[in-house]
Formats: sequence, C-alpha cells, structure tokens
Amino acid sequence: GNSVTQMEGPVTLSEEAFLTINCTYTATGYPSLFWYVQYPGEGLQLLLKATKADDKGSNKGFEATYRKETTSFHLEKGSVQVSDSAVYFCALSATTDSWGKLQFGAGTQVVVTP
Amino acid sequence: EAGVTQFPSHSVIEKGQTVTLRCDPISGHDNLYWYRRVMGKEIKFLLHFVKESKQDESGMPNNRFLAERTGGTYSTLKVQPAELEDSGVYFCASSQGRASYEQYFGPGTRLTVT
Repeated sequence: GNSVTQMEGPVTLSEEAFLTINCTYTATGYPSLFWYVQYPGEGLQLLLKATKADDKGSNKGFEATYRKETTSFHLEKGSVQVSDSAVYFCALSATTDSWGKLQFGAGTQVVVTP
Repeated sequence: EAGVTQFPSHSVIEKGQTVTLRCDPISGHDNLYWYRRVMGKEIKFLLHFVKESKQDESGMPNNRFLAERTGGTYSTLKVQPAELEDSGVYFCASSQGRASYEQYFGPGTRLTVT
C-alpha cells in the first residue's frame, strides 16, 4: 500500500538557520505530493504542492521538489524564523483516488529559537 | 469567509461513554473528510463524504464509529462506546470539486478517553 515516511522530530534550530525535513514515499503510479503545516492552536494549512515529477512547489520561502527517481519530496527553507515553529506534515494523494484522500507522514515538529 | 470549524475543541470522557464530534465545513464545499492523529503518529484518513453520501469509509476503525452528514452541510462523528485507543486528535477537512488539491482543515478536536 501507499505510505509516507518523514524524519522524526523535534528539530530544533536557531533563527536564520537552514531547514531540511526529509520525506520519502511509496506509491504506485504518480501521486500528488503535499506539505501541510500546523501552527500552534490552528488547523493544518497547505504549504505547497507538486503534482508531477520534477515539479517544484514553493511558498513562504519553503521549497520542495518532486523526485520520482528517489521517491522523495524534501522540504527546505534557507533561513528560518521563529514564526516557522510548527509541525510539518508530508502527504500524498494517490492517482487512483480522484477524490483527493490524503495519506500523511507522522509529522515533524520544528522549533526555531531566537 | 469562515473556515472549517470543529466542536468541541477538547473532550475528556471515560471509557464506555459516548462522544459526538461536530464539523462545519466551508460553505459550498461538497467534500468533507474526517482524519485522526493518534499519539503523535501519522494522520490517518477515516472517511469521506460527498454532500450527504459516504464516498469512502475505508478508514473507519470499527463499528463503534458512526459518521453522518445530514443535508450535506455539517457532519458529526459519534464514538460509542469509547475505548482508550480512541484518544487522539480528530481533524475535519473540506474541499470543493472532485480531485481538489487543497483541503481546508479545521483546528481539530482533541479526544481523551480515560
């Protein structure tokens, strides 16, 4: 079956540091890939997405590239801020499911200190 | 535009009791999803409504869980009787249209079964 694996947290880093959160997936065909973010006390928000191989999703300084050859969708940001402290979830939507059901990884908590 | 709302935000009940969670999707969104995150693990799909019809309930854990969406508006998820392993955060999401890539999530209901 389909699955998403992401690095465990928490990840603690200083403001302006470089952030990488690894995400790999297992799926048949060509799923769509997503990063969702959950800020404290809020619901999940779509951060970025990519729907085909080699697509790069980007938003708010975050980027992730859909790598079919390595089945990965790693999230990166060059210079984090305290406001980026949140839980980040990698997710996929299988091509066989046209109704958009999401499959998530376990989430990675990121803590950015001043 | 109001977002997805969920009620209550937190519920603490004893094993064997009944709890009903409510989700109000964004007005006009035909798709409504329920997900659950248990013990810091991955967020798992429970079921999906299209308007008032259950499109996919493959993620429902057992028959102690009953979801409804009367009139295709708000949805309820009832757990009866609750067990300890039902503890977790229950998320609701909504989207518009088939294969919509962006699901809008509510803040979740934290259920604690003691």
